[in-house]
Amino acid sequence: SQQGEEDPQALSIQEGENATMNCSYKTSINNLQWYRQNSGRGLVHLILIRSNEREKHSGRLRVTLDTSKKSSSLLITASRAADTASYFCATDARGGYQKVTFGTGTKLQVIP
Amino acid sequence: DTEVTQTPKHLVMGMTNKKSLKCEQHMGHRAMYWYKQKAKKPPELMFVYSYEKLSINESVPSRFSPECPNSSLLNLHLHALQPEDSALYLCASSQDRNQDYSSYNSPLHFGNGTRLTVT
Repeated sequence: SQQGEEDPQALSIQEGENATMNCSYKTSINNLQWYRQNSGRGLVHLILIRSNEREKHSGRLRVTLDTSKKSSSLLITASRAADTASYFCATDARGGYQKVTFGTGTKLQVIP
Repeated sequence: DTEVTQTPKHLVMGMTNKKSLKCEQHMGHRAMYWYKQKAKKPPELMFVYSYEKLSINESVPSRFSPECPNSSLLNLHLHALQPEDSALYLCASSQDRNQDYSSYNSPLHFGNGTRLTVT
């Protein structure tokens, strides 16, 4: 399975602090994506980083990718209570672009 | 709000019932997906349709039967389910990710899911 492993499984921080989540995966990828899921709802795409990119920014989000270590991190800066959600990394596989599989997820709680 | 619409939002069915989950998108996407998500777990891929043809079946039991009547609609027909099939069923769509380099990197757009309970 291409499923990634994420850590930590759960993270609780104060509003205004930064939150960092990590994702490791198993085989070569075409790209890595991060999604957010509010409780009981669908997933929302946050950011995609291609295998030939090392870092990408979008607003308060910063994603890094290290293909040599098969790992990625998502940094959320200046967190807000509204950032409380579960965050999943997702990977495809070279030659299997449609098979998008999700990591185990990090549950983030931002305390006001 | 999402551009992928799933109905119903909640469904309770007995093990002998037949029911269907529906998914609709109007973004012109040619790939559509079914995922199953158990509580506190990541979504698990079940099926992928590309240009209305089934392209991936992740060894899903035959009591789940997908159907893609046209490029905007995706159904999941359910029959003789088990209580362990209770989960959140998520539909997603994207540009066809096998088409070309730009589409390889197409994100998935998810609906809000159908919460299924099998009694």
